[in-house]
Amino acid sequence: QSALTQPASVSGSPGQSITISCTGTSSDVGGFYYVSWYQQYPGKAPKLMIYDVSNRPSGVSNRFSGSKSGNTASLTISGLQAEDEADYYCSSNTKSSTQVFGTGTKVTVL
Amino acid sequence: EVQLVESGGGLVKPGGSLRLSCAASEFTFSDYSMNWVRQAPGKGLEWVSSISRTGNYIFYADSLKGRFTISRDNAKNSLYLQMNNLRAEDTAVYYCARDPPSSGWYFDLWGRGTLVTVSS
Repeated sequence: QSALTQPASVSGSPGQSITISCTGTSSDVGGFYYVSWYQQYPGKAPKLMIYDVSNRPSGVSNRFSGSKSGNTASLTISGLQAEDEADYYCSSNTKSSTQVFGTGTKVTVL
Repeated sequence: EVQLVESGGGLVKPGGSLRLSCAASEFTFSDYSMNWVRQAPGKGLEWVSSISRTGNYIFYADSLKGRFTISRDNAKNSLYLQMNNLRAEDTAVYYCARDPPSSGWYFDLWGRGTLVTVSS
C-alpha cells in the first residue's frame, strides 16, 4: 500500500487561507468517506483535526475544514495563524482493511 | 486524565526482539479498537497494526510480513506489540492510538510514543 500523496510544503501569510491536498486511489480515499487529518508539532504526538472527511472533533478550531472529491481529499485552514505552523498528515481506510497515511505536509506561516 | 502511555522501547540489535506496552487510563479501554503507528526519524507516519475491542479482528501493514504481533489485555487496560526479527528500518517512535467506536477508522487519542532503535 503506497502512501497517499501530499505536497511537501504549503505556506501562507497570517490571515490567509491555505489548502492541503491528499491524493489516493479508488482503493482508499476514493472508496470510503473515512479520511482523517492530523496535526503534528516537532517532537510531539499527532493530534486529530478532522475525521470522516469533514467532521471536527470537539475543541478543534472551526478554521479547519475538510472535504473530498473523487480520489482527493483536502484540508483547508482559514485565517492562518502562527500556531498553525506544523506538519499535517491525512489518513484513509483501504479496501485491504488497513490504514494508509499521507506523505505529510509542512505548513509554514510567513 | 484520559491518556495512553507507551513503554518498552530501547536499543536492540538487528534480529532481536522487543515488546512494547501501552497503558490506558481514565476511559473504558474495552470500548475502543486500538492501533500502533510508527514514525521513523525525520519521516512520516506509518500505520502498523490494529486490534478490535475484543481482539477478534487484527490487521497488519503488509510491510511487516508477520514479524509483529499485536495483542491486548482488557482486564489490565493494556495494548501490546511484540516485535521479532527487528531490522534497522524498524527504528522509529512507536505510538499507540485509540480508535473510537464509529463507522469510520481514525485516531482520536495518541500516546507520547516510545523510541525503538535497531542498531548493532
